Amino acid sequence: SQQGEEDPQALSIQEGENATMNCSYKTSINNLQWYRQNSGRGLVHLILIRSNEREKHSGRLRVTLDTSKKSSSLLITASRAADTASYFCALNNAGNMLTFGGGTRLMVKP
Amino acid sequence: GAVVSQHPSWVICKSGTSVKIECRSLDFQATTMFWYRQFPKQSLMLMATSNEGSKATYEQGVEKDKFLINHASLTLSTLTVTSAHPEDSSFYICSARGQPTNYGYTFGSGTRLTVV
Repeated sequence: SQQGEEDPQALSIQEGENATMNCSYKTSINNLQWYRQNSGRGLVHLILIRSNEREKHSGRLRVTLDTSKKSSSLLITASRAADTASYFCALNNAGNMLTFGGGTRLMVKP
Repeated sequence: GAVVSQHPSWVICKSGTSVKIECRSLDFQATTMFWYRQFPKQSLMLMATSNEGSKATYEQGVEKDKFLINHASLTLSTLTVTSAHPEDSSFYICSARGQPTNYGYTFGSGTRLTVV
């Protein structure tokens, strides 16, 4: 099954800075989703962007999707220490399954 | 919104015993349940997909006799790890998708299994 590849694998920034995470994939998708996971906890759905959409916003989150490049990015603006978590992209394909990328571990230092 | 309740949140068991993990959809009908496994600092790997009333479809490399999945009702799916061994220690997460479909995918809070 296809899997998204995320970069960077780990990101450490200061509070107030922006954090950008990228996800690349290889085949066609119906939509792409971003999730957050605090250490040892379940996943929290952040944003879903459909294949015919290019950009979506939710609060301090901005997601872009470039289907020609088969890539997506998640931008967290004005980061806070509470944003420290792992972030995963998940691909929803024609089979309606979700396959997850490797994740980016974000640490926001106060 | 849609909620999936997963229990237990953590369990420690002896090698050779079996452990059952439950996932319940609380306010929607989960026509499809997904079971994932996650090792420390790694991503989620899909283990199996189950549709209510049907046998589960297992991903390549997942032993169906070891990881028994039951999805007998629209609100409950269980994963039983049989004859658990220390290498089965992991974080197991369920996800449900159902009606109405605009609920999308809802994840349980996960179960930390430690086999000693």
